[in-house]
Amino acid sequence: QKEVEQNSGPLSVPEGAIASLNCTYSDRGSQSFFWYRQYSGKSPELIMFIYSNGDKEDGRFTAQLNKASQYVSLLIRDSQPSDSATYLCAVTRGGSQGNLIFGKGTKLSVKP
Amino acid sequence: KAGVTQTPRYLIKTRGQQVTLSCSPISGHRSVSWYQQTPGQGLQFLFEYFSETQRNKGNFPGRFSGRQFSNSRSEMNVSTLELGDSALYLCASSWRDLNEKLFFGSGTQLSVL
Repeated sequence: QKEVEQNSGPLSVPEGAIASLNCTYSDRGSQSFFWYRQYSGKSPELIMFIYSNGDKEDGRFTAQLNKASQYVSLLIRDSQPSDSATYLCAVTRGGSQGNLIFGKGTKLSVKP
Repeated sequence: KAGVTQTPRYLIKTRGQQVTLSCSPISGHRSVSWYQQTPGQGLQFLFEYFSETQRNKGNFPGRFSGRQFSNSRSEMNVSTLELGDSALYLCASSWRDLNEKLFFGSGTQLSVL
């Protein structure tokens, strides 16, 4: 089982719709959870982070964390063509070999 | 405030050579981490440095090494290059550790021929 799994997509949604991106992780000791957005040919940039169970909202973005189910999601409301990018889920793992594990990303396409 | 600066932007090497990549973090950031990005494997964590010490390490062979200087600037070295080392190498910095927002540089695109 991969440590952080995402559906590779592409996920296609019409402009104005809600885009739902999902991520599962395998290590129950994972501590912090991130969503990075990466445009083609550019570096990743952080759009959301969440540390505890529940929802966290920032503008059009909502991150949801369920540690019992080992599941993180990102909702993008009122999707815009400028949201078209690859979304990377990332999870930090503590312990003696702490590191940051990325999923392979979900490619989102928002159609005008 | 200047962002994370990586040099060089592009590199072409041949198998068996070694390469050194450089990263200057955002001023005040003390944690510097390195990543390898390929189309097949995605973004993979290499290692993290803090106060000139390697604090965390990913699952890469010993040919991949790094160091951090007293001014938090970091270098990454890959020895005995293999074709599979062709990738985009990204550096990121943060104030303290990996459990907070990372700021990524533009990366160094390494091609091994």
